[in-house]
Amino acid sequence: AQTVTQSQPEMSVQEAETVTLSCTYDTSENNYYLFWYKQPPSRQMILVIRQEAYKQQNATENRFSVNFQKAAKSFSLKISDSQLGDTAMYFCAFMALPSYGKLTFGQGTILTVHP
Amino acid sequence: KAGVTQTPRYLIKTRGQQVTLSCSPISGHRSVSWYQQTPGQGLQFLFEYFSETQRNKGNFPGRFSGRQFSNSRSEMNVSTLELGDSALYLCASSLIQGAAYEQYFGPGTRLTVT
Repeated sequence: AQTVTQSQPEMSVQEAETVTLSCTYDTSENNYYLFWYKQPPSRQMILVIRQEAYKQQNATENRFSVNFQKAAKSFSLKISDSQLGDTAMYFCAFMALPSYGKLTFGQGTILTVHP
Repeated sequence: KAGVTQTPRYLIKTRGQQVTLSCSPISGHRSVSWYQQTPGQGLQFLFEYFSETQRNKGNFPGRFSGRQFSNSRSEMNVSTLELGDSALYLCASSLIQGAAYEQYFGPGTRLTVT
């Protein structure tokens, strides 16, 4: 069984600064995807970024980038130039390709961006 | 394209009743997954349907069931409701084609059991 651990229940950052959210996972699978989702107070889950395990290059999406360390089973999210609209709960999620359609989520990190 | 839609958005039921939640995926998406979100247990996978077949199932009792129709719309049913079933139920759809495995979520159905 896969497990996903987010060790930071809450984090805060000043507007325009950079923040990194941590995520580790445990799996015996070799083919998998990792995702970061954002859930603002509206509760709408929004895909932030994805990473294929077979790709060594770290994924980036505008101000969002990941640091994927496959051997260490670590998948952190860096948010640059933080904006007030980034305030949300962030979830790290894992999907093993034999079980596509099933996401395993971490417990989430509440990020607050202060003006 | 329209996003994932879920109906109803809010629901209040009494213990022992049953409930049916509906999910319409993004056009062209054939995979639909369901999740339960509670403050205590977080986000937990219920089941996933693809082309009207249940392919994966989470660790939930048999009171939780689902189905998918030929147009990819999906429903989930909870029978004999318990207080602990109060939760936000999220539906997500995915293309599952090529390398497109990411899931797109609906706004959720907030179920309250009294």
